[in-house]
Amino acid sequence: DVKVTQSSRYLVKRTGEKVFLECVQDMDHENMFWYRQDPGLGLRLIYFSYDVKMKEKGDIPEGYSVSREKKERFSLILESASTNQTSMYLCASRLTGVNTEAFFGQGTRLTVV
Amino acid sequence: AQSVTQLDSQVPVFEEAPVELRCNYSSSVSVYLFWYVQYPNQGLQLLLKYLSGSTLVKGINGFEAEFNKSQTSFHLRKPSVHISDTAEYFCAVSVPPAGRRALTFGSGTRLQVQP
Repeated sequence: DVKVTQSSRYLVKRTGEKVFLECVQDMDHENMFWYRQDPGLGLRLIYFSYDVKMKEKGDIPEGYSVSREKKERFSLILESASTNQTSMYLCASRLTGVNTEAFFGQGTRLTVV
Repeated sequence: AQSVTQLDSQVPVFEEAPVELRCNYSSSVSVYLFWYVQYPNQGLQLLLKYLSGSTLVKGINGFEAEFNKSQTSFHLRKPSVHISDTAEYFCAVSVPPAGRRALTFGSGTRLQVQP
């Protein structure tokens, strides 16, 4: 069974902390994505990566960075967490190809206090 | 740029009633369309996808969707819903060329099935 695994289901962090969200996929997909989900706003793309060490900004990259040192792993970094980054974070992976579907992890619900 | 509009943020319905969740997209080129479901506190899973061919697409859990190019719509339907269908549903689009490798999602529709 194909899988995208996010390291934490729930996280509580303090304002100003550096936060790492980890994602691993076992499908050998080239593309990996980080989305943020907020009520009424759907899924908004933060960053994506199409190859090891390659990354591109999505629609809302401010306050975030990413790292992809290995094909199967894609990390989202909040350099200095703020309360407005409290949200559900979803990782996804996808084969290259306009007609391919994305596979999602279970999500990480991050609360910044 | 492509966009996806889900016209209803919430849809309440009684168990065993039919339901339609609406999705419209904007794109000047051919598109590929997807519906995903998200159960509480879970990630998204694929319900169905339209790639080409027949405009009526059948998915898992008895859902189906119809692609209408002239109306730029891809509405999701189920003839008889169950309590277990209570979830959030997202429509998504993928547009060639694949320079933007991410799917674009609508804002979601929360389906609330009542006994």
